[in-house]
Amino acid sequence: DGGITQSPKYLFRKEGQNVTLSCEQNLNHDAMYWYRQDPGQGLRLIYYSQIVNDFQKGDIAEGYSVSREKKESFPLTVTSAQKNPTAFYLCASSIVYQETQYFGPGTRLLVL
Amino acid sequence: AQSVTQLDSHVSVSEGTPVLLRCNYSSSYSPSLFWYVQHPNKGLQLLLKYTSAATLVKGINGFEAEFKKSETSFHLTKPSAHMSDAAEYFCVVRLIMNYGGSQGNLIFGKGTKLSVKP
Repeated sequence: DGGITQSPKYLFRKEGQNVTLSCEQNLNHDAMYWYRQDPGQGLRLIYYSQIVNDFQKGDIAEGYSVSREKKESFPLTVTSAQKNPTAFYLCASSIVYQETQYFGPGTRLLVL
Repeated sequence: AQSVTQLDSHVSVSEGTPVLLRCNYSSSYSPSLFWYVQHPNKGLQLLLKYTSAATLVKGINGFEAEFKKSETSFHLTKPSAHMSDAAEYFCVVRLIMNYGGSQGNLIFGKGTKLSVKP
């Protein structure tokens, strides 16, 4: 089955710790995206990548980092600089940039 | 600037009655508009999209939406609600011109939670 997978489903972070969220797609999509979802606020764009080895900041990139070494993978690292990381994180992809986006099942990050 | 406003944060209907979820957008250009649905603790699923073809767009699960340029609206409707329709619905507009370097990116409404009573 083609699709987008995110792991883990739940992730716990200790104070001062960096954590990495995984996003993998086997749809052969060029573009990938990371969003953060908070209750009552919709989704906000963290980072996006139009092609391998290239990515751009979205609206709320501070405290996050990404890499795009492979077409199918776009991991997101939540660094210790992100002071309020508790949220639901969604990864998406599209055939090419500006086309319809398809979403993964999400990872819920909680701070201990 | 482009934006999207979902007029109701929560809508409650009885099973078998019509559903109306309201969305207004602001855009200086012809927008691309989408409706996504999210069930609890799940990702978003595309219901339908408008991209300047027919103004009445049919989507999955019996949903449809009508693009009304004069009213800058893109309301989502369904003739008869099912219990399985209970979820959160997001109206989304896609930026089509350079805007802070985020051309092509999506702007999400804050969501409408749909409850369906038996």
